[in-house]
Amino acid sequence: AQKITQTQPGMFVQEKEAVTLDCTYDTSDQSYGLFWYKQPSSGEMIFLIYQGSYDEQNATEGRYSLNFQKARKSANLVISASQLGDSAMYFCAMRDYDSGGYQKVTFGTGTKLQVIP
Amino acid sequence: GAVVSQHPSWVICKSGTSVKIECRSLDFQATTMFWYRQFPKQSLMLMATSNEGSKATYEQGVEKDKFLINHASLTLSTLTVTSAHPEDSSFYICSARDYRNSPLHFGNGTRLTVT
Repeated sequence: AQKITQTQPGMFVQEKEAVTLDCTYDTSDQSYGLFWYKQPSSGEMIFLIYQGSYDEQNATEGRYSLNFQKARKSANLVISASQLGDSAMYFCAMRDYDSGGYQKVTFGTGTKLQVIP
Repeated sequence: GAVVSQHPSWVICKSGTSVKIECRSLDFQATTMFWYRQFPKQSLMLMATSNEGSKATYEQGVEKDKFLINHASLTLSTLTVTSAHPEDSSFYICSARDYRNSPLHFGNGTRLTVT
């Protein structure tokens, strides 16, 4: 079973509008972390936002917010006031533990976001 | 802070040769670094976890004799692709964290093309 599922291969959003990128996860650990990264066409991975499994408040970082619904095992990224520079691939990732107790970070398949002027 | 430098950013080599990729944490010490591989339009696949002073832990299906990882110091990990073949052409990207539960900080990646 996929640990991280991103069901939207591609998304379009109008400039200045908000957009939600979906992410669901699967883990049996009680302690885990969820991340969102942005990957522009140049290839670098840019960290956007983090949510810990014990954090009660949804994480926010500027125009980015993470809609964390623990019972549903979802961690959707919301980008408000989209800008042309937001066009990129977006990856959801989860940090949990493997069978040997070591931390691992697993990435979803990504969502390609295109912002339309 | 938390900058990871990866070198080279791109490399072209002939089939059968070896290529070394360096990953450095510039302003923090990283006891653990991670090496990922990414095919075009696909996600990042974890290849191995590099631990300072000990052997790397490879993911299932990754050939440890082909992808040699050395983590000689708290700021440097290297990935050597030995006897490279065209199917090894890919985007390789390293990452590190500066404390246990911090986000991964990524290098800018290395585009390897084997001709």
